[in-house]
Amino acid sequence: QVQLQESGPGLVKASQTLSLTCTVSGGPVSSGDYYWTWVRQPPGKGLEWIGHVYSSWYTYYNPSLKSRVAISTDTSKNQFSLTLDSVTAADTAVYYCARGTVTTLVYWGQGALVTVSS
Amino acid sequence: QTVVTQEPSLTVAPGGTVTLTCASSTGAVTTDYYPNWFQQKPGQAPRALIYSTTNKHSWTPARFSGSLLGGKAALTLSGVQPEDEAEYYCLLHYDGGWVFGGGTKVTVL
Repeated sequence: QVQLQESGPGLVKASQTLSLTCTVSGGPVSSGDYYWTWVRQPPGKGLEWIGHVYSSWYTYYNPSLKSRVAISTDTSKNQFSLTLDSVTAADTAVYYCARGTVTTLVYWGQGALVTVSS
Repeated sequence: QTVVTQEPSLTVAPGGTVTLTCASSTGAVTTDYYPNWFQQKPGQAPRALIYSTTNKHSWTPARFSGSLLGGKAALTLSGVQPEDEAEYYCLLHYDGGWVFGGGTKVTVL
């Protein structure tokens, strides 16, 4: 049974760095078979793919966020993390972590709301 | 910036059939884009329904089907049930990354 759970501060000040962690159970984040992914959803709006990491360190990011985002893994804790720099109110969203493959995103966390305050 | 376009909203009667589409700003959608479809209900995480154009997950009801239609990816709901009222998102693969469509709100009325 694969489970993912997001954790991190629910409130971040504008211009600071957003940091979230996804704890994975039911499979190693070091597996090269899976793409460990972050997706976000601003309140009342659609889904936005942020990026993913696979085989522990290969990453690919949404071009619109690439200059501010980083995704990494911690194999000792079976976690992967998201950092987003220089946040603004537009970064307020529910952030989901998910496990994907080359062809799909199957397992999702419940989501974590992060609010950027001024 | 690649844009993936879906109908903003569709309404269908219970027991009816509705088709949602997913278009790419780069041209015709093909199987190379590995089209995926997700269902999302209020307050819930998205749930995967269809992957690689036509493939269903083990939990996907038989009334949901995926296809390519006129250069777009398509999701057809046949014999719609009240519980199918939800937001539906498509997801397309581009050069190592993914792009979501804007979503289609399906109302069962």
